[in-house]
Amino acid sequence: AQSVTQLGSHVSVSEGALVLLRCNYSSSVPPYLFWYVQYPNQGLQLLLKYTSAATLVKGINGFEAEFKKSETSFHLTKPSAHMSDAAEYFCAVSLGGYNKLIFGAGTRLAVHP
Amino acid sequence: DGGITQSPKYLFRKEGQNVTLSCEQNLNHDAMYWYRQDPGQGLRLIYYSQIVNDFQKGDIAEGYSVSREKKESFPLTVTSAQKNPTAFYLCASSPDTFGLFFGSGTQLSVL
Repeated sequence: AQSVTQLGSHVSVSEGALVLLRCNYSSSVPPYLFWYVQYPNQGLQLLLKYTSAATLVKGINGFEAEFKKSETSFHLTKPSAHMSDAAEYFCAVSLGGYNKLIFGAGTRLAVHP
Repeated sequence: DGGITQSPKYLFRKEGQNVTLSCEQNLNHDAMYWYRQDPGQGLRLIYYSQIVNDFQKGDIAEGYSVSREKKESFPLTVTSAQKNPTAFYLCASSPDTFGLFFGSGTQLSVL
């Protein structure tokens, strides 16, 4: 069965520092993988997605993620954090077909001056 | 502007009461979904619909019901059988197999 594990429910970085949010997945078939961002009291916004094309995926707001099959990982990175990046981030894996996504528990990112 | 509209933003339920959450989309997407979000637990799938007049149970369908009479609309009813309804409910739609578009959510609380 597919599952997603996000390591670290809370991550805190300084403004300008590297952002690294970790996501590991398990899937019996080649997965589709997603990162979403959620600001308080709002819905989720798609940051980026991996759909078996290039393993390094670039998304919005300067984020990118690398699919590593050998490590079953899809970590999200951003070279330099901005205060506006403070939000909750969710990794998700698709069962395939019609987007039956399985979400991780989320990682809350705090950015301090 | 195209998008997904959820209403109301806040909803309160009394003991034994059924309540209905609205979800409307004007994106012309075939598939629609309902997720429940609890703090620290991520999102869990309640129901989904791939086409009009058809829907399937997700992982936590007990105590919920849906209908899909129109392509644009996918309302969710939280019945009195759902004993722990307090949560943030998110509706989503998708044009294809590669990603969901989410509404802004409804916070349901119990009085």
